[in-house]
Amino acid sequence: DADVTQTPRNRITKTGKRIMLECSQTKGHDRMYWYRQDPGLGLQLIYYSFDVKDINKGEISDGYSVSRQAQAKFSLSLESAIPNQTALYFCATSDSRDRGTQYFGPGTRLLVL
Amino acid sequence: AQSVTQLGSHVSVSEGALVLLRCNYSSSVPPYLFWYVQYPNQGLQLLLKYTSAATLVKGINGFEAEFKKSETSFHLTKPSAHMSDAAEYFCAVSKGQAGTALIFGKGTTLSVSS
Repeated sequence: DADVTQTPRNRITKTGKRIMLECSQTKGHDRMYWYRQDPGLGLQLIYYSFDVKDINKGEISDGYSVSRQAQAKFSLSLESAIPNQTALYFCATSDSRDRGTQYFGPGTRLLVL
Repeated sequence: AQSVTQLGSHVSVSEGALVLLRCNYSSSVPPYLFWYVQYPNQGLQLLLKYTSAATLVKGINGFEAEFKKSETSFHLTKPSAHMSDAAEYFCAVSKGQAGTALIFGKGTTLSVSS
């Protein structure tokens, strides 16, 4: 969905490096989410934010942090990347009035060497 | 706690055949249920959703799903498969109250042969 953009789309980094993945949306939604996808495991929730001042941990938040800089921007950081953080990362948004429907960005493919 | 189980990680059908992808859920509150599709190298796209209205839900591309509370199921069907339906399909349930995060199943890859 072009209304949810993620940068970069692909990234290769080394173990121990700090990396930030960015998500922007023009849908005007108040809620934003970060997921990671691993083959055979589906999507797992890392963090979610219901508004700029509300940040919540998901199922697998260890090793990650987030920042909600504005309603439209939600960044995910890996403070010290490790190889098992190699995955496909998705940002999603939702409108609190829309009964849970989430809209996904195109994903960022991250490889940690 | 909410959870989703998708039965069968891989389903293969012939073009024109019935598509049936199975999803069972567990939820401590009345669930909101979703099916998403992921085409290769793309993000997830909403196929359909159940939000406590009609139990038979129609979605895009000819797909539909039926909410069966007694069976805690939300299976996805399409009467006649098309080659373009080949993709990965994810069932999801709302984590808690409607509008909260989603819990996803592990996905089912659908292959369609000619």
